[in-house]
Amino acid sequence: SAVISQKPSRDICQRGTSLTIQCQVDSQVTMMFWYRQQPGQSLTLIATANQGSEATYESGFVIDKFPISRPNLTFSTLTVSNMSPEDSSIYLCSAGLAGGYEQYFGPGTRLTVT
Amino acid sequence: DAKTTQPPSMDCAEGRAANLPCNHSTISGNEYVYWYRQIHSQGPQYIIHGLKNNETNEMASLIITEDRKSSTLILPHATLRDTAVYYCIVRSPHSGNTPLVFGKGTRLSVIA
Repeated sequence: SAVISQKPSRDICQRGTSLTIQCQVDSQVTMMFWYRQQPGQSLTLIATANQGSEATYESGFVIDKFPISRPNLTFSTLTVSNMSPEDSSIYLCSAGLAGGYEQYFGPGTRLTVT
Repeated sequence: DAKTTQPPSMDCAEGRAANLPCNHSTISGNEYVYWYRQIHSQGPQYIIHGLKNNETNEMASLIITEDRKSSTLILPHATLRDTAVYYCIVRSPHSGNTPLVFGKGTRLSVIA
């Protein structure tokens, strides 16, 4: 199994600023995934982060707005840039073990933009 | 991955069995049915998965129809802590390197 932690757990930010969310996995994983969950909605995949290469973004998400770093096999960051109130959401980090069937999730970062 | 259809919400009395249905009529031969749940303010949590045989673990049972076009997740004795959104997801096996795609799920409310 894998345990995923995220920092910060929540934050309140002013519009126009940026926030970097950290995700730490207690096992080495090939792929890490970032999701957004808007209030009352399901999870939407933002991007897939592979160690040593640029992240792959889903339709509607761009690198300039959500830059991702993946410096090693256990860590990733997601930055929410130039924030607006519409970015207020829960951001979740996730990973699966190679050859495994389960995907593990962090507890999420609750972001409020004022 | 095949698309799934779930009712938006269900209620269940505490102590009773909760039966959550899922339709996945376009499932292909090698795709598994997975169930996850998300308790309020937490990340999603794996519950169970299966291919074609019924499966049971310490959390739940999964019943898949013979034609594999639908399934039912059963929580045998629902408690208040089972109140959550339940997601039925169809995907290829051992796909730890591909992300889950979430539908809208079923919001289960367990009532005292």
